[in-house]
Amino acid sequence: QAQLQESGPGLVKPSGTLSLTCAVSGDSISSSNWWSWVRLPPGKGLEWIGEIYHSGSTNYNPSLKSRVTTSVDKSKNQFSLKLTSVTAADTAVYYCARRPGYGSSPIESWGQGTLVTVSS
Amino acid sequence: DIQMTQSPSSLSASVGDRVTITCRASQGINYFLAWYQQKPGKAPNLLIYAASTLESGVPSRFSGSGSGTDFTLTISSLQPEDVATYYCQKYNSAPHTFGGGTRVEIK
Repeated sequence: QAQLQESGPGLVKPSGTLSLTCAVSGDSISSSNWWSWVRLPPGKGLEWIGEIYHSGSTNYNPSLKSRVTTSVDKSKNQFSLKLTSVTAADTAVYYCARRPGYGSSPIESWGQGTLVTVSS
Repeated sequence: DIQMTQSPSSLSASVGDRVTITCRASQGINYFLAWYQQKPGKAPNLLIYAASTLESGVPSRFSGSGSGTDFTLTISSLQPEDVATYYCQKYNSAPHTFGGGTRVEIK
C-alpha cells in the first residue's frame, strides 16, 4: 500500500507562492497513477486542485489553473505543487493523493494532510 | 464543467436510523462516482466507487446507488462512529469535482 507524506512551509505571505512536496513510498512515481492534490479550507468542503502523470500530463481545476503548477521528480520519487499569488482564501489543509491510472478510477490513497496558512 | 450538488448539507439522526444522502451531477457521468467519509483531522477515506461498489473493509451498512446524474449514499443503521462529513466526487473526466459535503451527526 502506497504511503504519501506532504511537506512544506506552514505559513506563506499574501501574494507569495505556496510550495508543497509529496514523498511517495511503497510505489513508484513512474507507475500507472495520477498524482493528485486536494485541499480543505477551514469550514468548507473538499476542493480538487489537480493531478499529474509521470509523463508530465496534467489536469487542473479551471478556477485555479492560472496559478497552479505541478511537477514530478522521479529521482526522489516525489511530486510537487506550486500555487502562486496566494491570498487568505488559499488557507487550507492540503492533501496529496494517488488515483490509479487504469480506466477511470477514484482517489484511493491519501497523505495525512498539511495545514498551510496565508498570512502576513 | 460538471457541477456536483449534495443534499442535505447536514443532518442529525439517531443511532440505528437509516440515513440517505443524495448527489446530483449537472450532466451525466455514467457510474463514475465515488463517496468518501472524512472525520475531523483525518484524510478522506474511500467508501464506495463506481456508484455502488463497496471498497474493501468498509462496513456493509454503507451502500450506494444511481447512475447518470442522480446518486445516493445510504447508511442502513447509523452508528456513533459514522459521525463524519461525506463527499461525493465525479471521476469520469477532469475536473474531478467534489460535492459540497454532508455533515452527519448523532441526535
